Amino acid sequence: ETGVTQSPTHLIKTRGQQVTLRCSSQSGHNTVSWYQQALGQGPQFIFQYYREEENGRGNFPPRFSGLQFPNYSSELNVNALELDDSALYLCASSFTGGGTEAFFGQGTRLTVV
Amino acid sequence: GQNIDQPTEMTATEGAIVQINCTYQTSGFNGLFWYQQHAGEAPTFLSYNVLDGLEEKGRFSSFLSRSKGYSYLLLKELQMKDSASYLCAVSDRNSGYALNFGKGTSLLVTP
Repeated sequence: ETGVTQSPTHLIKTRGQQVTLRCSSQSGHNTVSWYQQALGQGPQFIFQYYREEENGRGNFPPRFSGLQFPNYSSELNVNALELDDSALYLCASSFTGGGTEAFFGQGTRLTVV
Repeated sequence: GQNIDQPTEMTATEGAIVQINCTYQTSGFNGLFWYQQHAGEAPTFLSYNVLDGLEEKGRFSSFLSRSKGYSYLLLKELQMKDSASYLCAVSDRNSGYALNFGKGTSLLVTP
């Protein structure tokens, strides 16, 4: 158990719809990162939030957006869903500054049909 | 940008030793992590290297050479439960210390 919880665990959406995924970070951690993991691939960095501000972003289009709340929990929003968005979405919490391990939640499996 | 390479698949025998290599290129290196991921589960932390050399932790060891952009994960006394994907990830200062992962090495341990 890492103390990082994600909801929902599974989700099915239709192409064009919007989705919100949620993550509660581990106690004491102030940084949340989101990753997309396609089947058989390594996780791909989407973006990262520190103290409610985005402080890093990977190669994902603007329809991927996020929020971090004062309690350091976070949301990932994806608009205009595409079939290729089907993946495992992982949230990781850490204490910022680098050099510290990130603890992952169990992920949300999103299927777009 | 990032370029992290590791073998796609490896097979080893129970009780043996296996070495999983990882090479990387990054402009803002701030450490290298190894994670283990069983099918359908979240990645779990194995090791972290920021200085050159070998870090040993039980049956698992990790090595880093920053000048060569090279790391390896060494697994000793392999057990069946070690069958999993092993992910090499580099922390990059230029992206807020976020982790950039390789595609993972799928390790199969056979009896």
